[in-house]
Amino acid sequence: QKEVEQDPGPLSVPEGAIVSLNCTYSNSAFQYFMWYRQYSRKGPELLMYTYSSGNKEDGRFTAQVDKSSKYISLFIRDSQPSDSATYLCATHYNQGGKLIFGQGTELSVKP
Amino acid sequence: NAGVTQTPKFQVLKTGQSMTLQCAQDMNHNSMYWYRQDPGMGLRLIYYSASEGTTDKGEVPNGYNVSRLNKREFSLRLESAAPSQTSVYFCASTVGDYGYTFGSGTRLTVV
Repeated sequence: QKEVEQDPGPLSVPEGAIVSLNCTYSNSAFQYFMWYRQYSRKGPELLMYTYSSGNKEDGRFTAQVDKSSKYISLFIRDSQPSDSATYLCATHYNQGGKLIFGQGTELSVKP
Repeated sequence: NAGVTQTPKFQVLKTGQSMTLQCAQDMNHNSMYWYRQDPGMGLRLIYYSASEGTTDKGEVPNGYNVSRLNKREFSLRLESAAPSQTSVYFCASTVGDYGYTFGSGTRLTVV
């Protein structure tokens, strides 16, 4: 079993839809949770960073962590074609620790 | 500000050939990483260097070697390339808990 599981999709939604991307993880020791966005033929870029449980909002993006169920989510409101990319969840045990990635979910937002 | 620079961007090797992938960062980061990305597998850690002068194995180190030449540079060497090493390779660096900065990747094909 992988330490971080993510549905690879692909996921296709119409422009303006609310998108929900999800990951589960197996180790309760994980403390730091991230979402990366990767455009085609580019390197991943950090999108959201959260510590422990709760929500964090940044514009149209909301990251949610539920440590009791070992579940992390990324919500995208009013999705745009420019949001079309692969989204990777990631976690690590401690500050500066090695990142462990999910498989990534490919998202396509259709105009 | 260049961030993380990887060279080359593309490479085709014959089975058994060797090559070195170069990575340099200009952000004064302590930690550097090499990942490979394959369809359906996400990003898998090959080797990492927590600080200048140290290197450690990651999840998939077989067939690779690394050198942390100085604080800026971290190279990945394939001594005898195999078709199973066909992949996209990403270098990343980080300091503390602010997430990784990735390079744009090297697309390697071994025939």
